[in-house]
Formats: sequence, structure tokens, C-alpha cells
Amino acid sequence: NAGVTQTPKFQVLKTGQSMTLQCAQDMNHNSMYWYRQDPGMGLRLIYYSASEGTTDKGEVPNGYNVSRLNKREFSLRLESAAPSQTSVYFCASSLDYQETQYFGPGTRLLVL
Amino acid sequence: KQEVTQIPAALSVPEGENLVLNCSFTDSAIYNLQWFRQDPGKGLTSLLLIQSSQREQTSGRLNASLDKSSGRSTLYIAASQPGDSATYLCAVHDDYKLSFGAGTTVTVRA
Repeated sequence: NAGVTQTPKFQVLKTGQSMTLQCAQDMNHNSMYWYRQDPGMGLRLIYYSASEGTTDKGEVPNGYNVSRLNKREFSLRLESAAPSQTSVYFCASSLDYQETQYFGPGTRLLVL
Repeated sequence: KQEVTQIPAALSVPEGENLVLNCSFTDSAIYNLQWFRQDPGKGLTSLLLIQSSQREQTSGRLNASLDKSSGRSTLYIAASQPGDSATYLCAVHDDYKLSFGAGTTVTVRA
């Protein structure tokens, strides 16, 4: 089992460009999450999907959109990147929304 | 709003010493608490999850306790090794989300 995989590992964008971060899990989990990690701010939830077909906002959803493509895949889209979105993005999944969360290796995003 | 605090922010110990990492949270209405390990430049690895009805959870050299009423959890790592050097994060589950502490960065000196 690969667990939770994320692509790309690293990306540089210019302000205003768009991109989609991909996440997939092979553990047959129902719930999936997107977090960002910033120095001094810790990990903060951007969006989550409690089950296939549902998505909800977390603490810091502004500037992002998500798609739960199927049970395995949950993508995060930046429509118009801003320097404030420079961060490390983690995808996570859990069997259900109060169970142990398993994290991917992260995507390092730099917005110039 | 749930606030999670981890003290100390950093800790350096000689190999073989036991580690004690503290986590406190402000709202005791939690579903469970999870401890993670993060190595530099890597993702988070789940170590232990303690349900709100449990007092402690053990896995190998790791033991985590939970006192919901006082809003505290402690992670004990016995007989530390250089490979235990990492940042340790605690996170509380309240409803749909995890609220994370800032972490304790541990260095185990050989």
C-alpha cells in the first residue's frame, strides 16, 4: 500500500497563476482533508470531505477550491495564486472523520 | 475556539534518557487526541490515538496519557535513541477537524 500520495512534490508559481494539487489514498478511507503548514502558525485545515460526494470548508478556505473526484482522490485548486499561499500543503485521510488521520508527504509551494 | 499548546518548544537530551512531552488544550469537549511525529521536510506520521474515554495508550516505547478534565496529555518515550530526534505534534479532534499544537522539537544526543 502506498498510503496517501501527493503530486507534485514541489512547485513554483507566479502571482495570478492557477494550479491543482492532487491527492490519492489507497486505504479505502471515507474522509479526506487538506491542510497547510506555515512557520509560527502550525497546521491549519483548509477543506475536508467527510465522505465521497461531500466537501466542507475548514479554518482557512479563502482562495482555494476542492473536488472529491471519487473515493480515492481529493484535489485542491488555487485559482489565482497569491504570495500568501506560499506554504507546505498536506493531504490526509481517515477511515471516518474522527478516526486516525494518515498524512501524505506534502507539496511545497512557492508563489512569487 | 480550541487552543492547543505544547511546552517546551524544544528539548535536547542524552541518549537513553526518558522523554516527557506535554500538550494542553482549552476545550475538554474532544472526541480524541492524536500524537504525531514529523521529520524535517517530511509529512506527519501518526504515533498514537487516544479516545476521549481512555486514560492512556501504549505502543512499544511510547506511552500517552490523557486527562480530559484538566485538558492535558503527556507523551512518554522510554530510553530515547538518536532516531527519536524529530518534532512531535499533538492534535485534538473536536467535531470534524484536528486542532494542532505548534510541536516540540526533540534532539537526542548520541
